[in-house]
Amino acid sequence: AQSVAQPEDQVNVAEGNPLTVKCTYSVSGNPYLFWYVQYPNRGLQFLLKYITGDNLVKGSYGFEAEFNKSQTSFHLKKPSALVSDSALYFCAVETRSNYQLIWGAGTKLIIKP
Amino acid sequence: GAGVSQSPRYKVAKRGQDVALRCDPISGHVSLFWYQQALGQGPEFLTYFQNEAQLDKSGLPSDRFFAERPEGSVSTLKIQRTQQEDSAVYLCASSHPMDNEQFFGPGTRLTVL
Repeated sequence: AQSVAQPEDQVNVAEGNPLTVKCTYSVSGNPYLFWYVQYPNRGLQFLLKYITGDNLVKGSYGFEAEFNKSQTSFHLKKPSALVSDSALYFCAVETRSNYQLIWGAGTKLIIKP
Repeated sequence: GAGVSQSPRYKVAKRGQDVALRCDPISGHVSLFWYQQALGQGPEFLTYFQNEAQLDKSGLPSDRFFAERPEGSVSTLKIQRTQQEDSAVYLCASSHPMDNEQFFGPGTRLTVL
C-alpha cells in the first residue's frame, strides 16, 4: 500500500537553530512531493513541492526540502528557526498516475524562544 | 485574488440530522477536492471533481455522503443522517489545470452530538 510516514509527532527546536522535519514515502514510480503547513484554525498552506530537477527545493518562509530518491525521503529544513514557524507540518505525495494526495499524519513543530 | 472559501466554518449537528457544507473554489480552478481531517491526523481524500464531473468518489466513507458541483464551480458536500464518527474538519481544495498545487480552504469543523 502506498503511504507517507512522518516519524516524529513533535519536534522541539530553539529559536535560531536549524530545524528538520522528516518525511519518508512508499509510493510506486516517481511521485510529486509536497509540504504544507497548518496554523490553528486555518487551512493548509502550501510551502513547497518537488516535481523534477534539483533535489534541493526552496519554498515559502525560508523553508527548503531535500529529495533523496534512494532513501525515498523528502525532509523539510530551515537554517534558522523562528518562533512564528511553530505549527503543524504535513508531507504529502501525489503519484503521477493519480491526482490524489497521500498525506502523512503531521508533525507538530514547536520553536522555543 | 480570493482564495478558497468554505461555509459554514463551524457546524454543530444532532445525530441523525442532515448537513450541507459549501465550498467556493478559486475562480478558474478546474479541479476540486474534498478531504476529511480527523483530530491529530492528516487529511483523508473523499472525492474529486473536474469541472462538474465527479471523477472519483472512492474516499466517501458511506452512502450517507454525497457531493455535487453542478455548474463546475461551487461544490456542496452533503452528509445525511449524521453520526458521531462524522465529526471532523472537512477541507476543500482546488487547483489550476496547469499546476498540481492544491489550494485549501479554511475548512468546516463539524461536530455531531
